Amino acid sequence: GAGVSQSPSNKVTEKGKDVELRCDPISGHTALYWYRQSLGQGLEFLIYFQGNSAPDKSGLPSDRFSAERTGGSVSTLTIQRTQQEDSAVYLCASSSRREYNEQFFGPGTRLTVL
Amino acid sequence: AQKITQTQPGMFVQEKEAVTLDCTYDTSDPSYGLFWYKQPSSGEMIFLIYQGSYDQQNATEGRYSLNFQKARKSANLVISASQLGDSAMYFCAMREGAQGAQKLVFGQGTRLTINP
Repeated sequence: GAGVSQSPSNKVTEKGKDVELRCDPISGHTALYWYRQSLGQGLEFLIYFQGNSAPDKSGLPSDRFSAERTGGSVSTLTIQRTQQEDSAVYLCASSSRREYNEQFFGPGTRLTVL
Repeated sequence: AQKITQTQPGMFVQEKEAVTLDCTYDTSDPSYGLFWYKQPSSGEMIFLIYQGSYDQQNATEGRYSLNFQKARKSANLVISASQLGDSAMYFCAMREGAQGAQKLVFGQGTRLTINP
């Protein structure tokens, strides 16, 4: 079946512009996660959604970052007034209520802020 | 304090040898899960193996096994009979709390290079 998809695969923007990154989780997965990976670093948690519960936003680095998940499926991560330090690969993952909650990752969106 | 520590930034191993990638973790929660992911140069994150804190036996998946030493808070990944295709970044991660939708905390990763 189809895996997690993300779009765009690459995004180059100018400092100060807003960007939107999209994630389509695996069909039927109730949980959706956003992570950020800076060059040569591990993954940093940003936000996760579980069903209709309030999202865990504890990893968002500033109020310029926000995310929503519509209809329990597609999610959009929005970064307002982008800064150069926002340059990173943004990874989305989804999971079902399986025994050990394996998270399946998408291919990521590489964001470059000039 | 770091929740997940991977002390080996890089490892070089001859093909067909076994390799151990180190991971130590820090948590006060009695219920947690430990994961290993592989990230090839293409960038995708590939799930390898999982160990639950209450699991009595070490997890195994094909050539991958997890050396889980709970008292020492370590969860080392062992790859047997390494192959050239094993060259990649390897990340250890932890989920705190009971099973369910919970965020993962990742280590900084180990870059493994398999030499022919």
